[in-house]
Amino acid sequence: GAVVSQHPSRVICKSGTSVKIECRSLDFQATTMFWYRQFPKQSLMLMATSNEGSKATYEQGVEKDKFLINHASLTLSTLTVTSAHPEDSSFYICSARVGGTDTQYFGPGTRLTVL
Amino acid sequence: GQQVMQIPQYQHVQEGEDFTTYCNSSTTLSNIQWYKQRPGGHPVFLIQLVKSGEVKKQKRLTFQFGEAKKNSSLHITATQTTDVGTYFCADPTDDKIIFGKGTRLHILP
Repeated sequence: GAVVSQHPSRVICKSGTSVKIECRSLDFQATTMFWYRQFPKQSLMLMATSNEGSKATYEQGVEKDKFLINHASLTLSTLTVTSAHPEDSSFYICSARVGGTDTQYFGPGTRLTVL
Repeated sequence: GQQVMQIPQYQHVQEGEDFTTYCNSSTTLSNIQWYKQRPGGHPVFLIQLVKSGEVKKQKRLTFQFGEAKKNSSLHITATQTTDVGTYFCADPTDDKIIFGKGTRLHILP
């Protein structure tokens, strides 16, 4: 149980385009989902916390207009990187928290490359 | 702000040797979690420690939570090639998880 999927697993796009990444909890309902970014050989940096039916809470330094998060249902959250630039190239990972616990289950990640 | 410091950043060991990574916090932690991330993969939850002085074992992995709940360690006995990856400690709060920088483990054959 507690499986989280992410789609796509890998995406290459041109500079200036927008990219949408989906995060789904497959066998449980996730009231809270988290979006992280990880640069090579670095730790996971929390970008935002996404609560179902409400606006996402962004960490300091993360542009909310550039990284649009929508948590439309208890099993789906999306991250849209708008007007992507090469410096946005990174590994984006989502996680979902099982209600009432501290445990987060991570998706397999999406590797974004902006040319 | 909240942060957990983790050392060492990198560790190279011969296969069969032991390995330890340490995590320290400037504040008292409620709980501490440990994750493993294989190269190219995503973090996988290993364990959560809750009690002061707690020690838990998972096969060759031993997790320890300090008496003051400000530090923790992960010790691997007789490392194997499958242990390669980055080990993160993390501070789970009510609303988010703060990750340490991780310790990258390389196994030399």
